[in-house]
Amino acid sequence: GAVVSQHPSRVICKSGTSVKIECRSLDFQATTMFWYRQFPKQSLMLMATSNEGSKATYEQGVEKDKFLINHASLTLSTLTVTSAHPEDSSFYICSARGGDSGNTIYFGEGSWLTVV
Amino acid sequence: GENVEQHPSTLSVQEGDSAVIKCTYSDSASNYFPWYKQELGKGPQLIIDIRSNVGEKKDQRIAVTLNKTAKHFSLHITETQPEDSAVYFCAASPQGAQKLVFGQGTRLTINP
Repeated sequence: GAVVSQHPSRVICKSGTSVKIECRSLDFQATTMFWYRQFPKQSLMLMATSNEGSKATYEQGVEKDKFLINHASLTLSTLTVTSAHPEDSSFYICSARGGDSGNTIYFGEGSWLTVV
Repeated sequence: GENVEQHPSTLSVQEGDSAVIKCTYSDSASNYFPWYKQELGKGPQLIIDIRSNVGEKKDQRIAVTLNKTAKHFSLHITETQPEDSAVYFCAASPQGAQKLVFGQGTRLTINP
């Protein structure tokens, strides 16, 4: 299947700082990318949907000023957690869909964020 | 909006036996139903999917069935192996919508 890569896989940051997570589609052009958050032993919670070249659409309850999403190209989307707090610690996962992937949605490996 | 219910939440089977996980959805307009396997600390991996124009799809030991009338779909794993142990998620995609709506997940344990 298609490959979606996330980086970094693990990151630790101090409270009050910002951290950026990258999501790349390696072998197809992703017209749409999605960002999820997952707490231990829970399902995936959709945070936002982003289309290349346009503003992300955030799910209800997700602070768009805190979780900045950029989808500047057909192969790259970034999630920036601004002014991070310990409660932002979580597993963040991106997924991507594009015409080349047959509109199937593929997930990245996930990024563990720990805010200390 | 779409709502997906998945059960059971946990499932334990003996190696070699079959495992079945069931999901129901609420939006009759949904037309795409993927299944993902998630191992601890990793992202979900697509294992099989089905679209609303077919009733069954099989890939080696894995099969998915879809009943559009009843609005439910199921994952069947035969001849289970220890490496099948993971959390499995079903999802549905409403027609015209870009996103997936996930079930709550099933923790499958294969006992050797």
